[in-house]
Amino acid sequence: GAVVSQHPSWVICKSGTSVKIECRSLDFQATTMFWYRQFPKQSLMLMATSNEGSKATYEQGVEKDKFLINHASLTLSTLTVTSAHPEDSSFYICSARVFRIPQNNEQFFGPGTRLTVL
Amino acid sequence: KQEVTQIPAALSVPEGENLVLNCSFTDSAIYNLQWFRQDPGKGLTSLLLIQSSQREQTSGRLNASLDKSSGRSTLYIAASQPGDSATYLCAAPSGSRLTFGEGTQLTVNP
Repeated sequence: GAVVSQHPSWVICKSGTSVKIECRSLDFQATTMFWYRQFPKQSLMLMATSNEGSKATYEQGVEKDKFLINHASLTLSTLTVTSAHPEDSSFYICSARVFRIPQNNEQFFGPGTRLTVL
Repeated sequence: KQEVTQIPAALSVPEGENLVLNCSFTDSAIYNLQWFRQDPGKGLTSLLLIQSSQREQTSGRLNASLDKSSGRSTLYIAASQPGDSATYLCAAPSGSRLTFGEGTQLTVNP
């Protein structure tokens, strides 16, 4: 159980276009999903926290108008990279949090999406 | 603010060796800590989640320990195999967020 999928797994786009990445929790409901980006040879950096039915909370330095996050249902969150530029090329990973009792904020991660902007 | 450090950054061992990966964190007010594995170009695979009330958690050849008072966790891998080659990440919570270490890149040579 606790499977998270991402689509697409990789995408190549031209500079100036927008790209949408989907994150789905397949066998559980996730009230909170997280979006990370990872540059080569570096660790994951949290971009934003997405709560179902409310606006996402962005980390300092992350442009909310560039990285649009929508969490319309308990199983789906989307990240749209608007007007993508080569410096946006990265590995984007989402995770979903499963709430259990006692408190156990374990996160399960998707397989990632490799974005290359030409 | 939580900061997570992993040592060593890279490790190369012969097959069959037992090894220990280290993780330290600055904010000890955590309720759990997670260890992940990441293969090149792939997402994260959760290996072990150790609760703050636990001192150890085991899964197969993996054993994770947690010492909140010293701000340290270790991941012990027994009888390493070439298939264990990957980057191992530890992550400690900070509020609702997870803060990741830089990872230890493990290579197990046949």
